[in-house]
Amino acid sequence: GQQLNQSPQSMFIQEGEDVSMNCTSSSIFNTWLWYKQDPGEGPVLLIALYKAGELTSNGRLTAQFGITRKDSFLNISASIPSDVGIYFCAGQLKDTDKLIFGTGTRLQVFP
Amino acid sequence: EADIYQTPRYLVIGTGKKITLECSQTMGHDKMYWYQQDPGMELHLIHYSYGVNSTEKGDLSSESTVSRIRTEHFPLTLESARPSHTSQYLCASNVGDNEQFFGPGTRLTVL
Repeated sequence: GQQLNQSPQSMFIQEGEDVSMNCTSSSIFNTWLWYKQDPGEGPVLLIALYKAGELTSNGRLTAQFGITRKDSFLNISASIPSDVGIYFCAGQLKDTDKLIFGTGTRLQVFP
Repeated sequence: EADIYQTPRYLVIGTGKKITLECSQTMGHDKMYWYQQDPGMELHLIHYSYGVNSTEKGDLSSESTVSRIRTEHFPLTLESARPSHTSQYLCASNVGDNEQFFGPGTRLTVL
């Protein structure tokens, strides 16, 4: 089946540092979504990207839709303790509205 | 944004029991989804629906069944639960064609 490779698998950073994570695939996607999931909760949508090359910000978060449409990255600037959680990318293939999820990046922020 | 409700949030049951996980949304969304997620792992689509009386199996084979008799309600049923069904079950609905919003999930443990 389709696969989204998300990296890094986990990150341990100090409060105030910037964070970067990405997703890559061999398939072309029409939409990229980035979610954050806290333990025991459902994923919460952070950013949605719809066009190749699109760069979108949501507060301290910035995400880009890769030019090739096969990748996307998420940056978090000046991390804070509440950024802790698992971040998932999700891609929507052409001609379908089903999502394929990445394997997640687990973020730990130390004060 | 979508308001999606799932009950129960936690369920511990014995092998062989029949269970129904409830999912409802009050926004009138046509498209609804069920995902299965092991702790900290990626989400796998097990069922989806594009409207009343429409149900389809997802990418991950599941012994569960779903029904969609009303737009706002998309319950998932396991006729005979087994320990291999232990997982988190997440319900989602679509705003438009792309953005899926998730409920808080049901964490199921089968002893």
